[in-house]
Amino acid sequence: SQTIHQWPATLVQPVGSPLSLECTVEGTSNPNLYWYRQAAGRGLQLLFYSVGIGQISSEVPQNLSASRPQDRQFILSSKKLLLSDSGFYLCAWSVDSGSYNEQFFGPGTRLTVL
Amino acid sequence: AQKVTQAQTEISVVEKEDVTLDCVYETRDTTYYLFWYKQPPSGELVFLIRRNSFDEQNEISGRYSWNFQKSTSSFNFTITASQVVDSAVYFCALSEVRGAQKLVFGQGTRLTINP
Repeated sequence: SQTIHQWPATLVQPVGSPLSLECTVEGTSNPNLYWYRQAAGRGLQLLFYSVGIGQISSEVPQNLSASRPQDRQFILSSKKLLLSDSGFYLCAWSVDSGSYNEQFFGPGTRLTVL
Repeated sequence: AQKVTQAQTEISVVEKEDVTLDCVYETRDTTYYLFWYKQPPSGELVFLIRRNSFDEQNEISGRYSWNFQKSTSSFNFTITASQVVDSAVYFCALSEVRGAQKLVFGQGTRLTINP
């Protein structure tokens, strides 16, 4: 069966510090991978998605970047965090099935920037 | 561009009352998918339903029911005889049919069921 992991679960970082959030998927190959962010009291916004290794599409210009160094690994990074980067970050995966590709979400990482 | 609007930011009802969560969407696509997700306090998203745009039949699953009306671009969610465990944030979402099938979420409705 497929599982998705995110770590860390929670993170408190000072403004200006770097960030690295990791997402890994097990039990599937060549998944589509997604990063969403939920700011406090707001809905989820798609940040990045990837349809293959090294292929990253950015949805919103921002202080963050994403990378996919391996087939089932998706990393969200920042060189210098801003206060506005605080939020709940969710990773999701899906697999092309010819019809609808249901997205499965990870447990999330709660980031607080102080 | 696709857009999902959940006008109700917060709803609070007493247990056993029925409650309807509204969702209105905008898209230029002729075919698309609509979803509802539940987000309990733990934060993880729980999938509730997916509806294809050409299937306008209403659906019932236990105490949950969904009313999809393409003519008004609405996909409302009703909980009958609400329970305290239904307390959560509920998100409506829209997805393209082709491509990466990115999800566009509404702002969410925080539902509180009081005993």
